[in-house]
Amino acid sequence: RKEVEQDPGPFNVPEGATVAFNCTYSNSASQSFFWYRQDCRKEPKLLMSVYSSGNEDGRFTAQLNRASQYISLLIRDSKLSDSATYLCVVNFQSGGYNKLIFGAGTRLAVHP
Amino acid sequence: DGGITQSPKYLFRKEGQNVTLSCEQNLNHDAMYWYRQDPGQGLRLIYYSQIVNDFQKGDIAEGYSVSREKKESFPLTVTSAQKNPTAFYLCASSMQEGRRVYNEQFFGPGTRLTVL
Repeated sequence: RKEVEQDPGPFNVPEGATVAFNCTYSNSASQSFFWYRQDCRKEPKLLMSVYSSGNEDGRFTAQLNRASQYISLLIRDSKLSDSATYLCVVNFQSGGYNKLIFGAGTRLAVHP
Repeated sequence: DGGITQSPKYLFRKEGQNVTLSCEQNLNHDAMYWYRQDPGQGLRLIYYSQIVNDFQKGDIAEGYSVSREKKESFPLTVTSAQKNPTAFYLCASSMQEGRRVYNEQFFGPGTRLTVL
């Protein structure tokens, strides 16, 4: 089983749609959670951290369920510029080292 | 502007040749990392360094080597021992205070290596 699993997609949605991505992780000792965005052939960039209470940043809402080891990202009112691959990332500390484990990503394509 | 630079953007090499990928950062970050990304897979950690003159193997270090002689620089050498070197290589850095390493990692633009 992969340490971080995501539906690879692609999710093809029209502008204005609401889309949700899910992610599961296997290590119950994981401490921090993130969503990164990666445009085609570019580097990943942090989109948002995911907190236990859930958090929102504009059109983006992230949720964490530690009991189910499940993370989600909701994008409302999708824009063409949201087209990218969304990486679920899980962190845990091991021997003082901050290790990030990346999912393979979910691809989103927003069309007019 | 502060950031991480990687060069070159595209690199072609013949099989059996060693090649060194550059990574420089002016963010004053202590921690630096090298990842490779293959189609359909998540980023995988090759090597990391939390302080000058010290570095640790990641999950897929075989066939790679690094050095950390300066805080700003963390070059990666892909040796001929690496069986499948064609990939997208990403360098990253993060802040550190004492033993605590901050979670957010900042990435360079990457080097796309093709071995012919």
